[in-house]
Amino acid sequence: QVQLLESGPGLVKPSQTLSLTCTVSGDSISSGDHFWSWIRQPPGKGLEPIGYIYYSGNSHSNPSLRSRLGMSVDTSKNQFSLQLRSVTAEDTAVYYCARGPGIAARWGLHYWGQGILVTVSS
Amino acid sequence: AIQMTQSPSSLSASVGDRVTITCRASEAIRNNLSWYQQKPGKAPKLLIYAASTLQSGVPSRFSGSGSDTSFTLTISSLQPEDFATYYCLQDYNYFTFGGGTKVEMK
Repeated sequence: QVQLLESGPGLVKPSQTLSLTCTVSGDSISSGDHFWSWIRQPPGKGLEPIGYIYYSGNSHSNPSLRSRLGMSVDTSKNQFSLQLRSVTAEDTAVYYCARGPGIAARWGLHYWGQGILVTVSS
Repeated sequence: AIQMTQSPSSLSASVGDRVTITCRASEAIRNNLSWYQQKPGKAPKLLIYAASTLQSGVPSRFSGSGSDTSFTLTISSLQPEDFATYYCLQDYNYFTFGGGTKVEMK
């Protein structure tokens, strides 16, 4: 059974960097079969894609976040990570990691983490 | 960037009703469309992928159809556990979600 688990601080001060890690079990990031994604959901709002990364380190991201965004992958730990710089209150959201899209077939995001609420506040 | 327009944004329905939700893509996305159900405080759950393939374990009252720019999620007979918010997602080119449809009890 594939499982993903987000970890990181739940409170970040304005102008600082939000850093989250997603730990994957039941699948290998380095299998190369999928991208690995980040999605966020501000309180009471819809789902917003942040970006996704391949095991090689190649990534694609939301143009509105690209200037502040960093993504990385650690295949030895089967983890991928998100860094969002210069955060403001508008970055307050539940952050999800997910497996997908697929490489051979674009069949959506089959597995999601439980989500982690990150609040930006002083 | 591909835009996904989902409608309606909310609807009220009763147990047993047939419910239809639509997503329209701003350009053709073949069948690279999936549907998700989200309940409060929970992660989204995949219902349908490749526009019409039912995810394992999802009740058969859920079905999906469409291709290219127009897609539909249908719940044939709404059950109490189906009151939730539903999202479509295209991953043909990067990925984009629809705005969501909240299904509420009438």
